[in-house]
Amino acid sequence: DIQMTQSPSSLSASVGDRVTITCQASQDISNYLNWYQQKPGKAPKLLIYDASNLETGVPSRFSGSGSGTDFTFTISSLQPEDIATYYCQQYDNLPGTFGQGTKLEIK
Amino acid sequence: QVQLQESGPGLVKPSETLSLTCTVSGGSISSYYWSWIRQPPGKGLEWIGYIYYSGSTNYNPSLKSRVTISVDTSKNQFSLKLSSVTAADTAVYYCARGLIAAAAEDWGQGTLVTVSS
Repeated sequence: DIQMTQSPSSLSASVGDRVTITCQASQDISNYLNWYQQKPGKAPKLLIYDASNLETGVPSRFSGSGSGTDFTFTISSLQPEDIATYYCQQYDNLPGTFGQGTKLEIK
Repeated sequence: QVQLQESGPGLVKPSETLSLTCTVSGGSISSYYWSWIRQPPGKGLEWIGYIYYSGSTNYNPSLKSRVTISVDTSKNQFSLKLSSVTAADTAVYYCARGLIAAAAEDWGQGTLVTVSS
């Protein structure tokens, strides 16, 4: 299985801050990477697909970049409603594997 | 807008078989990959497996010996069976739809299944 190492595991930031989460794959996955947002008690929601494409309806403050083994997810200006846990997931090789998640809190 | 809804028992006894169904509305089950993903309480996400509308399947090797996913296109449903469950199988189980195998663009709300006697 491909291991996805996500960091940090938790993050505290202020409203308006730029927030960055990284995800590293244990082998080359090209751009076959999704980013999801999960709010407490809710199902995950797809934000970014194919590493850098914004899902329809997702605010433009969210972005993703990277290819190969190293990927970055960015919130350009943190909003209160962005409080959630964020997960990366590779789908280049089966089984699709997720990062361990980054819990984002407001400072 | 497609909607997915999981249904099934919320409590299963150890050693028995967990059975869940996902009903798809607002779209056809034809085309797309249909996955099951689970999340133990307070933990991360684990992909269980998928079925393509044609019936081809792929399972996580860690669960392969215990998992069966099937599809009923006439009912716009797909199902999960997980046999010989233990407390470690206690989780919220999600069904999901993807254009690509193992990816998940649309999710059900999830259903908590507890394994306990």
